[in-house]
Amino acid sequence: QVQLVESGGGVVQPGGSLRLSCAASGFTFSTYGMHWVRQAPGKGLEWVAFIQYDGINKYYADSVKGRFTISRDNSKNTLYLQMNSLRAEDTAVYYCAKDQGGSCLDYWGQGTLVIVSS
Amino acid sequence: DIQMTQSPSSLSASVGDRVTITCRASQSISTFLNWYQHKPGKAPKLLIYAASSFQSGVPSRFSGSGSGTDFTLTISSLQPEDFATYYCQQSYSLFTFGPGTKVDVK
Repeated sequence: QVQLVESGGGVVQPGGSLRLSCAASGFTFSTYGMHWVRQAPGKGLEWVAFIQYDGINKYYADSVKGRFTISRDNSKNTLYLQMNSLRAEDTAVYYCAKDQGGSCLDYWGQGTLVIVSS
Repeated sequence: DIQMTQSPSSLSASVGDRVTITCRASQSISTFLNWYQHKPGKAPKLLIYAASSFQSGVPSRFSGSGSGTDFTLTISSLQPEDFATYYCQQSYSLFTFGPGTKVDVK
C-alpha cells in the first residue's frame, strides 16, 4: 500500500532554513509527480509546490517562490522541500502528496509541523 | 491566478441528512476539480476527482457534479464518520484549494 512519511519539521527562527523529507513506498516513485501542501494553524489547505516525475519541471505557489525549493531523489524514493528565509507565516503542518495524472492528489502523508518563531 | 470559493463556510447537520457543498472557480476550469475530506490530525483524503469520478474505496453516498465554474459535492445520507472539513481543488492551472467547508454536528 502507498505510504508517505514526512520528517524534518521543528522550530526555527525567522530567517532560518529547514529541509523537509518525504519517504515514499508502495508505488513506483520515479513515475509520479509529487506535491507539498501546507495547513497553517486554524487555516485551510494551501498548495505549496509540485515536481514532475523526473524532477525536471517544478512549480511553486507565489507565497514561497524564490524561498522554497522542491527536489527529489528517485534512487532513494524521497521527496524534499528546502525552505529558506522562513517567516512566521510559514508556520504550518506540511504534507507531501502523490500526484495522479497531473490533476489530483490521491495519497497524502500524515504531515510534519514547522514552527517559525523567535 | 484561479481563485476558488466554497459555500457555506460551515454547516451543522444530523446523521442521515443530505448535505450539499458548493464550489465556484473564478474562471472556467472545465472538469479539473477535485474534492477532499480532512479530519483534524489526519491525512487529507481524496473523495472525487475530475468533478464527478469516485476515488477507489469512497462510499457511494458521496457524489460530485458540475463543470465550468460551478461544482457541487453531495453527501446523500450523512454518517457519523463524515463530520469533517471538505475542500475543493482546481488543477486547470497549477493547483488551488478552496477555503473549506466544515461539517459539524447539529
